[in-house]
Amino acid sequence: GQNIDQPTEMTATEGAIVQINCTYQTSGFNGLFWYQQHAGEAPTFLSYNVLDGLEEKGRFSSFLSRSKGYSYLLLKELQMKDSASYLCAFTGGGNKLTFGTGTQLKVEL
Amino acid sequence: DVKVTQSSRYLVKRTGEKVFLECVQDMDHENMFWYRQDPGLGLRLIYFSYDVKMKEKGDIPEGYSVSREKKERFSLILESASTNQTSMYLCASSLRGRNTEAFFGQGTRLTVV
Repeated sequence: GQNIDQPTEMTATEGAIVQINCTYQTSGFNGLFWYQQHAGEAPTFLSYNVLDGLEEKGRFSSFLSRSKGYSYLLLKELQMKDSASYLCAFTGGGNKLTFGTGTQLKVEL
Repeated sequence: DVKVTQSSRYLVKRTGEKVFLECVQDMDHENMFWYRQDPGLGLRLIYFSYDVKMKEKGDIPEGYSVSREKKERFSLILESASTNQTSMYLCASSLRGRNTEAFFGQGTRLTVV
């Protein structure tokens, strides 16, 4: 079947670096997405990885290892506004987009 | 900017009612999705559509149906609403292809009493 695992909650300090891990299992895999969702708002796209390696986008980077079924989202120079839920998702067979349960990140002073 | 609009932000319905949730996107996207989001369970896919009149079941289709008569509109139907369908419903759309960014609507908070 299909499955995604990510930690439920994480806490980090303003200005620090945090890594949010995601592991997945699926019989068909096309790409791995990360979305950010602030409380009461819709998810917004952050990044996606199709090939193995690191994709950098400003303070945010995302890494994928297809052979290990593993991805992480790296947030640098954390700001208070980065407090949000971070959702890992993959596209498997067809156009289906499957999400994990999300990691609630709390950034503290 | 891509805009995905859901017809209602908040909705209260009675058990047994037939409920329609509407979603419209203005960017000519082929793919459209309906999810529900519950605490601790994340976003779960109910149905998706990759073209007009085409639909595929997601992970939790029971108790729901969908309609896509026009490319820009994707409707979610609760045939007979039940209290366990109280949830946040999110619509999304994306371009054809498996690795294209999905854009979400603001969500409909449905309460079934």
